[in-house]
Amino acid sequence: DAGVTQSPTHLIKTRGQQVTLRCSPISGHKSVSWYQQVLGQGPQFIFQYYEKEERGRGNFPDRFSARQFPNYSSELNVNALLLGDSALYLCASSSWTGGSYEQYFGPGTRLTVT
Amino acid sequence: AQSVTQPDIHITVSEGASLELRCNYSYGATPYLFWYVQSPGQGLQLLLKYFSGDTLVQGIKGFEAEFKRSQSSFNLRKPSVHWSDAAEYFCAVNSGNTPLVFGKGTRLSVIA
Repeated sequence: DAGVTQSPTHLIKTRGQQVTLRCSPISGHKSVSWYQQVLGQGPQFIFQYYEKEERGRGNFPDRFSARQFPNYSSELNVNALLLGDSALYLCASSSWTGGSYEQYFGPGTRLTVT
Repeated sequence: AQSVTQPDIHITVSEGASLELRCNYSYGATPYLFWYVQSPGQGLQLLLKYFSGDTLVQGIKGFEAEFKRSQSSFNLRKPSVHWSDAAEYFCAVNSGNTPLVFGKGTRLSVIA
């Protein structure tokens, strides 16, 4: 079975530009979460979607937005990029496993803002 | 406030030696605890998880962890480290299908 996939793998953007990151969850998973991991830190929660509805939002500015599609794939959009947005963006999909939800992570998208 | 503390930023062990990575958490609800491993430039791979029941849990790659509620700890252990275990290790907590709260990670180096 295919795991969580993310695209693109890497990208380089300039300050002020906009970027869209994409995530396809594991087949059958209806929940997708996004995390930002800056160098040397643990991942920080950005958004969670379940059945196409936003279920949670972390402490990120409104420049960050996301959506989930009917096929449960998801996009993360970041507007007006800042240098500090440079990070690894991780997508995770969730399933009910052995009594609770287990999050499976994709390989991430490495965003560099110059 | 929900938080996870991994006191050791970097640990170096000799190949074949035992390993213990520390994790302490602060969480208002019943915690579900996880250890993830991340190789350079890669995503996160789940090593093991604790939801309930036996407080000593076994994971992949020979890792185990023990949940101690009285100490709010969930330390990761391995009896004999292999060079391929060199990576970044993250402890995380949530309470079901809620966002994971991660620690800052512990980088493990393995020397011959």
